[in-house]
Amino acid sequence: DGGITQSPKYLFRKEGQNVTLSCEQNLNHDAMYWYRQDPGQGLRLIYYSQIVNDFQKGDIAEGYSVSREKKESFPLTVTSAQKNPTAFYLCASTWTNAEETQYFGPGTRLLVL
Amino acid sequence: AQTVTQSQPEMSVQEAETVTLSCTYDTSENNYYLFWYKQPPSRQMILVIRQEAYKQQNATENRFSVNFQKAAKSFSLKISDSQLGDTAMYFCAFSVPDKLIFGTGTRLQVFP
Repeated sequence: DGGITQSPKYLFRKEGQNVTLSCEQNLNHDAMYWYRQDPGQGLRLIYYSQIVNDFQKGDIAEGYSVSREKKESFPLTVTSAQKNPTAFYLCASTWTNAEETQYFGPGTRLLVL
Repeated sequence: AQTVTQSQPEMSVQEAETVTLSCTYDTSENNYYLFWYKQPPSRQMILVIRQEAYKQQNATENRFSVNFQKAAKSFSLKISDSQLGDTAMYFCAFSVPDKLIFGTGTRLQVFP
């Protein structure tokens, strides 16, 4: 089945720890995105990538890092510099750019211990 | 600033009735795309409908239709014959170069 997978579904982070959220797609999409969703707020863009080995900061990139070594994969690392990481994280992809429909993964819930 | 405003945090409708969710946005762009996404309790984001700003004709998708008023920067979603499965958060969004701008959402509850 074609689609976007995210893992894990739930993730717990200890103080000072870096954690990595996985996002994989087999839709052959060029562009991939990471969003953060907090209660009562819409989705806010963390990072995006339109081509392998290239990515750009979104609106709330501080405390996060990404890589795009393969077209299918766009992992997000939440670093210890992110002081309020508890949120729901959504990965999305689209063919080339944001004018097209974005397809979303099922999300990862990150909680701080 | 480019923003999306959804002024109705919560709405409810009875099954089989019609409901309209409002959305206004602000952009200086002339060419852009508008979207309504649905997020049910599973939290999976699903596209409901998409509208190209250069098209005057309102988009429709089965029971879902939009009222797009470009001059007023308004993009409302009408759901006809509401079903229990329509219960969800609904997010309005528009595209700017390279990314989407989302509103804060409207929580829709459909009652039997």
